[in-house]
Amino acid sequence: SQTIHQWPATLVQPVGSPLSLECTVEGTSNPNLYWYRQAAGRGLQLLFYSVGIGQISSEVPQNLSASRPQDRQFILSSKKLLLSDSGFYLCAWSFTDYEQYFGPGTRLTVT
Amino acid sequence: TQLLEQSPQFLSIQEGENLTVYCNSSSVFSSLQWYRQEPGEGPVLLVTVVTGGEVKKLKRLTFQFGDARKDSSLHITAAQPGDTGLYLCRAGGGADGLTFGKGTHLIIQP
Repeated sequence: SQTIHQWPATLVQPVGSPLSLECTVEGTSNPNLYWYRQAAGRGLQLLFYSVGIGQISSEVPQNLSASRPQDRQFILSSKKLLLSDSGFYLCAWSFTDYEQYFGPGTRLTVT
Repeated sequence: TQLLEQSPQFLSIQEGENLTVYCNSSSVFSSLQWYRQEPGEGPVLLVTVVTGGEVKKLKRLTFQFGDARKDSSLHITAAQPGDTGLYLCRAGGGADGLTFGKGTHLIIQP
């Protein structure tokens, strides 16, 4: 069966500091991978998606970036965090165009 | 990108009552998914509907896809505290042009 991991679970970072969130998937090959941010009252916002190693599509302009160095690894990064980057970050994978399967999320607070 | 509107935004009812929440759009969908999210966790897929008029049941939950494939409803019979959560719909197929609704926050009071 497939499982998806995210870490860390929670993170408190000062404004201007770097960020690295990691997501890994087990039990499947060549999945589509996604990063979402969920802020209160705004629903799930798609940030990045990837259909293969090194292939990243960005949905919204921001100071975040994503990379996929390995087939089942997806990383979300920032060089300098902003207060507005606070939120709940979710990684998801899909094997078809229909369903997505989410990780447990990372709660990021920028202070 | 398709715009999905979910209603109501918040719903608080007593255990044992029935309820219906909705997901609507002006666009036609190729498919629609419903998810439930509990606080501090990722959303969990409940169901996918793809055919206009389709009805799927998951224990006490009944999902219906509109005949024109522009809307969907989720009906819960005899709600239980374990049904509490954020119910999200997502429409389309593939990543391009897809979106989640903002969700319905459901609280079932014992």
